Amino acid sequence: DTGVSQDPRHKITKRGQNVTFRCDPISEHNRLYWYRQTLGQGPEFLTYFQNEAQLEKSRLLSDRFSAERPKGSFSTLEIQRTEQGDSAMYLCASSLIGGGNYEQYFGPGTRLTVT
Amino acid sequence: AQSVTQPDIHITVSEGASLELRCNYSYGATPYLFWYVQSPGQGLQLLLKYFSGDTLVQGIKGFEAEFKRSQSSFNLRKPSVHWSDAAEYFCAVGAPNTGNQFYFGTGTSLTVIP
Repeated sequence: DTGVSQDPRHKITKRGQNVTFRCDPISEHNRLYWYRQTLGQGPEFLTYFQNEAQLEKSRLLSDRFSAERPKGSFSTLEIQRTEQGDSAMYLCASSLIGGGNYEQYFGPGTRLTVT
Repeated sequence: AQSVTQPDIHITVSEGASLELRCNYSYGATPYLFWYVQSPGQGLQLLLKYFSGDTLVQGIKGFEAEFKRSQSSFNLRKPSVHWSDAAEYFCAVGAPNTGNQFYFGTGTSLTVIP
């Protein structure tokens, strides 16, 4: 069990550029979540997948944000036309739903800085 | 609406002293409850969880938490704090039996002084 991994760990981009982050969940986990965390705040939910299906999206996920989990394994989160307000830590988590397991395991996060 | 309140933004304790971090929640029913710890620049590590049953739950690193339904609280405790416990602590709630998203508090930053 290698845990949840995220790539890159840090990303600095200029306003208006597109960025894409990747998350690799724990291998047998069927649910994958994306959260955003800004300085001094707790994580806020963005979206989650059950296998390859995107089941819920937060109103925080504007039209500039898109997430995919094409084969039910890794996931990508893309932000188009980045704005300074997008600067945050983007956290990915995974869980294995069923059998009474509901805890989420988090990756190290991708810190995005938009200049 | 679901919400989690951690009233203490920052706490400072001496090494070896006891610790209690407060968490109150607002939820339609008894949620699943969690405590996570986050070191600087890192992701969140699960300390412990409560789903049902015994209201005193034990976690990793010597932490425990007590669920009190009447107070809608899930406070985290440790009898003797170590310098390595300095970190940010987050309380979270989730809908029971769903695997849906968690709602997090704003966190409590713990400083441990020698």
